Amino acid sequence: QQQVKQSPQSLIVQKGGISIINCAYENTAFDYFPWYQQFPGKGPALLIAIRPDVSEKKEGRFTISFNKSAKQFSLHIMDSQPGDSATYFCAASRNSGYALNFGKGTSLLVTP
Amino acid sequence: NAGVTQTPKFRILKIGQSMTLQCTQDMNHNYMYWYRQDPGMGLKLIYYSVGAGITDKGEVPNGYNVSRSTTEDFPLRLELAAPSQTSVYFCASSYGQGSQPQHFGDGTRLSIL
Repeated sequence: QQQVKQSPQSLIVQKGGISIINCAYENTAFDYFPWYQQFPGKGPALLIAIRPDVSEKKEGRFTISFNKSAKQFSLHIMDSQPGDSATYFCAASRNSGYALNFGKGTSLLVTP
Repeated sequence: NAGVTQTPKFRILKIGQSMTLQCTQDMNHNYMYWYRQDPGMGLKLIYYSVGAGITDKGEVPNGYNVSRSTTEDFPLRLELAAPSQTSVYFCASSYGQGSQPQHFGDGTRLSIL
């Protein structure tokens, strides 16, 4: 059973556009929500993360929006660039736990 | 600083063979993890370790074994390889649990024919 549901599976955005990836979770014990970025042939790398005590976190062009009541969170990539083309994974975990529960991933292609 | 290093990068096994996937980290992290990544399925935790001599099962441990004799190394052993174990395997490490970032290696692509 997938504890974190991610959509869409793939996304094509024009350069300069906004990329939006959504995730939903069921386990209310989750209190840490990271996003990982993965390029072909490489391992995932932490991009940005949020805790449920804030509704939004921004780092450069990347923003996480968090809706605790809806148990949803999303990644927004502003001014998307071809170099942003990668697979993005949302994840969730308990601060006291060990396992990262990953979504299935979104393959993002930013066209020139 | 090499981070997390995995060897080999690619391997083809025959059904029933065994092998060990190597993972070493130079960040002095206590926590280490093994994940498998299947197309369109995200990453699933196989085993994890919270320190030398301490390991525990993750979500999909069947068919695998691990050991942790040193802080740096966390090898993953496949016994009696099966086609269902064809996957990309990632090792990761972190300073602590929960909200501590996990640092991933570049993976081992394993095909079992």
